[in-house]
Amino acid sequence: DTAVSQTPKYLVTQMGNDKSIKCEQNLGHDTMYWYKQDSKKFLKIMFSYNNKELIINETVPNRFSPKSPDKAHLNLHINSLELGDSAVYFCASSQITANYGYTFGSGTRLTVV
Amino acid sequence: GENVEQHPSTLSVQEGDSAVIKCTYSDSASNYFPWYKQELGKGPQLIIDIRSNVGEKKDQRIAVTLNKTAKHFSLHITETQPEDSAVYFCAARPNRLAFGKGNQVVVIP
Repeated sequence: DTAVSQTPKYLVTQMGNDKSIKCEQNLGHDTMYWYKQDSKKFLKIMFSYNNKELIINETVPNRFSPKSPDKAHLNLHINSLELGDSAVYFCASSQITANYGYTFGSGTRLTVV
Repeated sequence: GENVEQHPSTLSVQEGDSAVIKCTYSDSASNYFPWYKQELGKGPQLIIDIRSNVGEKKDQRIAVTLNKTAKHFSLHITETQPEDSAVYFCAARPNRLAFGKGNQVVVIP
């Protein structure tokens, strides 16, 4: 049973397209995150939702729009894709009241051509 | 907010030797310090963590030490094996986790 699952694992698309990445967690956590990992491996927080409410919204182009239909799901929609959006996107989850680490998904490698 | 720095950025060790990665943090309120291992093509996985009321924690070949006064913590891997080759991230939190930039560890057979 995968704890945090992301789909798709790979996504190759042309500039200007709109795409979505889906994330689901079955850990019963109340908080979910999107991270972007660039070629230098740096993990950059993008968004976080707690019980469907947006709590972290870092400086991210407004072409990126997260949506959390319930606390077990957090999707990321990207409009008008650009070459610089190519990266690996990780979803993660945690229980905000518990002092533990985050559980990460296996990532979605997005390549914009 | 919390700022975490990792050193060195790349570490090469001979198989069987020990590897040490150091991290410093800025927020004295931080009370939880996890370490993540990211293998090629996978997501970061929690391998060990330590809380501020403990100075050292061990789990088989890995250990973490914490110096709250100096605000630094370290990951120690003994008897390194090729499967230890990965990117390692440290993190710290008073509330939200702040990650370091990662260390590439290469174990040379």
